Amino acid sequence: AQSVTQLGSHVSVSEGALVLLRCNYSSSVPPYLFWYVQYPNQGLQLLLKYTTGATLVKGINGFEAEFKKSETSFHLTKPSAHMSDAAEYFCAVSSHSGGGADGLTFGKGTHLIIQP
Amino acid sequence: DGGITQSPKYLFRKEGQNVTLSCEQNLNHDAMYWYRQDPGQGLRLIYYSQIVNDFQKGDIAEGYSVSREKKESFPLTVTSAQKNPTAFYLCASRPGQGGSPLHFGNGTRLTVT
Repeated sequence: AQSVTQLGSHVSVSEGALVLLRCNYSSSVPPYLFWYVQYPNQGLQLLLKYTTGATLVKGINGFEAEFKKSETSFHLTKPSAHMSDAAEYFCAVSSHSGGGADGLTFGKGTHLIIQP
Repeated sequence: DGGITQSPKYLFRKEGQNVTLSCEQNLNHDAMYWYRQDPGQGLRLIYYSQIVNDFQKGDIAEGYSVSREKKESFPLTVTSAQKNPTAFYLCASRPGQGGSPLHFGNGTRLTVT
């Protein structure tokens, strides 16, 4: 079984400040890891993904995430927040071994608030 | 451009009525998925299909039904047996398993009164 925990259902940062959204996962096999962003009343858009190789992954809109196996974490960061970053962010894990719905599991999401 | 089209964007129904949500993709993806989204609960899997004419129940399949007669189409029917049908419904697809990400439609917001 696998699971995803996103710490903090709401995170508030000032415009220009560092954004840090936390994601921890559990998986009995090597994972694939994803971050998605959702704007109000829209679908989810892929920000970045980790499959194999380099553990620091760069995505769209200036976001990046680092896979840390020892900490079972995949935190999302952005050096400087912009008002347009305000949205819901979801972390997801998929296992190499598949199983079930290809083993894709989502966290409950973190709502990012940007203060001017 | 390739993508996933969900229609309609907003849907209103009276309690006791069945309603069908449309999902069409032109990405040539084999696998398709239906998720339900409620505030604070993330995404919950309703049904998924990895190949035409085959589909499996997800975590919350009760009160829902699907069909997969064509690769491009994966309609979801919300039946009168679904006790709390008001929600945001998302359709997604992916080309294969494992490391390929899901591609999402823009969702259908269903309100049942």
